[in-house]
Amino acid sequence: AQSVAQPEDQVNVAEGNPLTVKCTYSVSGNPYLFWYVQYPNRGLQFLLKYITGDNLVKGSYGFEAEFNKSQTSFHLKKPSALVSDSALYFCAVRFSGGYNKLIFGAGTRLAVHP
Amino acid sequence: SAVISQKPSRDICQRGTSLTIQCQVDSQVTMMFWYRQQPGQSLTLIATANQGSEATYESGFVIDKFPISRPNLTFSTLTVSNMSPEDSSIYLCSVVDNSGANVLTFGAGSRLTVL
Repeated sequence: AQSVAQPEDQVNVAEGNPLTVKCTYSVSGNPYLFWYVQYPNRGLQFLLKYITGDNLVKGSYGFEAEFNKSQTSFHLKKPSALVSDSALYFCAVRFSGGYNKLIFGAGTRLAVHP
Repeated sequence: SAVISQKPSRDICQRGTSLTIQCQVDSQVTMMFWYRQQPGQSLTLIATANQGSEATYESGFVIDKFPISRPNLTFSTLTVSNMSPEDSSIYLCSVVDNSGANVLTFGAGSRLTVL
């Protein structure tokens, strides 16, 4: 069965420091992996995706993610965190049946402190 | 990417009543998806709505509780029937990005509170 895990409920980081939000997955076949961000009282916004190609994927707002097949991970990273990055982050994997149905992780709340 | 409008943005409902959520997209799309986000939880897919056919429901969700309409390629509704406090959630509509890049675009969501 397909699944995605975000092992941290919350990540705290100081502004200007690098941040990492972890995600591991379990899929049959090649994974389609996504990161979304949810700001308070707003819908989900797409950050980046991995379908194929380079393992390092660059996305919106300076975020990037590294696909690691051997570790079945897709961690979200940013070299220098901003207070405005504070939000809820979701990792997602596409259903093996396609049709763009996504399975979401539990979410990780990122808190960036001044 | 597609722009999705959902109504209502939020509502407070009484137990036993039903509420219909509307989802309007600014372009024609084949499939629309309805997700639920319970308080402090992740998103769970309720159903996939295709125009001209009955919605396909995920395990744990049934048509009697969450009837869905899809009258055309730009509009869908989700009804939450006979509501209980456990139905208090954010309900989100989503569609596949027009670019075909395998990306889902989400509406801002409809936050329902059932008393």
